[in-house]
Formats: sequence, C-alpha cells, structure tokens
Amino acid sequence: DVKVTQSSRYLVKRTGEKVFLECVQDMDHENMFWYRQDPGLGLRLIYFSYDVKMKEKGDIPEGYSVSREKKERFSLILESASTNQTSMYLCASMDRTNQPQHFGDGTRLSIL
Amino acid sequence: KNQVEQSPQSLIILEGKNCTLQCNYTVSPFSNLRWYKQDTGRGPVSLTIMTFSENTKSNGRYTATLDADTKQSSLHITASQLSDSASYICVVSGPAGKSTFGDGTTLTVKP
Repeated sequence: DVKVTQSSRYLVKRTGEKVFLECVQDMDHENMFWYRQDPGLGLRLIYFSYDVKMKEKGDIPEGYSVSREKKERFSLILESASTNQTSMYLCASMDRTNQPQHFGDGTRLSIL
Repeated sequence: KNQVEQSPQSLIILEGKNCTLQCNYTVSPFSNLRWYKQDTGRGPVSLTIMTFSENTKSNGRYTATLDADTKQSSLHITASQLSDSASYICVVSGPAGKSTFGDGTTLTVKP
C-alpha cells in the first residue's frame, strides 16, 4: 500500500513566521502535490512537482514555495505566514497520469 | 473555465438504504474522472477512476458511472453502512494531469 506521511497533524504558528510542512511518500512516485482545503472551496492546488528539483505553480501559489531535493520528499514553505493561510494542507503523490492520487492525512495549520 | 459541480451538497440517509451522488463537469479536454472518499480528519482515499472509454466501474458497494457525452458522472452506494458517512469528492483531470476538484457531497448515514 502506498503511504504518504505528513510530518504534523496539527500545527500552530504566529504571523510572520517561516513555516515548513513536510511530506514523504514511500512508493517512488514521480509526481507530488500540495493542496489546501477550505470549507466551500474544495481542494485547491498550490504547487506540484513531476521530478526531483522540478516544480510547477498550481492555482494559488502566492505566499508559498516548495522544495523537492529527493524523490520521496516534497516540502511546502510559507515564507511569512499570514492568518489567511490558516487551512488544512494535503499532500499527495501519483505514479503517472490516469492513476489515482494518494493523499496524506493532512496538516491542520493555524496562524495566529 | 473548467468546473466540477457536485450535488447534493449534503445528504442524510438511513442505514441499509441506497443513494446516488451526482457530478457534472465542464473540463475539456478530458482524461479521467475519479471519485474519492474523505473521512473526517483524514485525507481523501480513491474509490474509482474512469477514463473516456469506461462508463461504469465498481468497488465493492460503490459503483461509478460516466457519460462522457453529457459530461456527467454518478456514484451509487448500495446498502449503506454507518462507515459510509464521509465527504465524497469528484475530480476530473485533463491530459496534462491538471485536476479540477468538486466541493464534495457530505453523506451522513444514520442508524
């Protein structure tokens, strides 16, 4: 079974802090994704990566950056956290097109 | 603009009953349509994935249908159980892999 592990289930940070969310997958998948999920807005893509050191902006990349130094690990960085970044963050990995994405259990991030 | 609309927004049914969830989309070009189940506090889990040439796919008590001509899909749940209480998300992807997510249908199964 594919396992996607997010480093924290709950995280509380302060406005202006630099925040790192980590995601690790164990199935050698090429593609990895970061989403945020907000009530009434569904899942929105922040960034995705189709290979090591490669990244592409999603629909809402502003205020975020990502890092993929190793195939199994994809990090989401909030450069200077703001209260409107309070949300559920979901990481996913996928082998190739027409295959399902495998999601982690999410990190519920609160910015105070 | 690519959109995925799900209905109803929420649904309450009694244990043992069947139900059908709807998904209409405008995504073009089309590559595949996926249904996910998301339990409260957990990440989504894949139920089915269908490509253009498939019009039905089952996973246990879950059966998904796809009409690519009308751009509609449904997820039918048979003999519902309390553990079926969750949010069900429809996702449509194009050939480049870009996915458009629906807002989900929240299903509550009561004893």
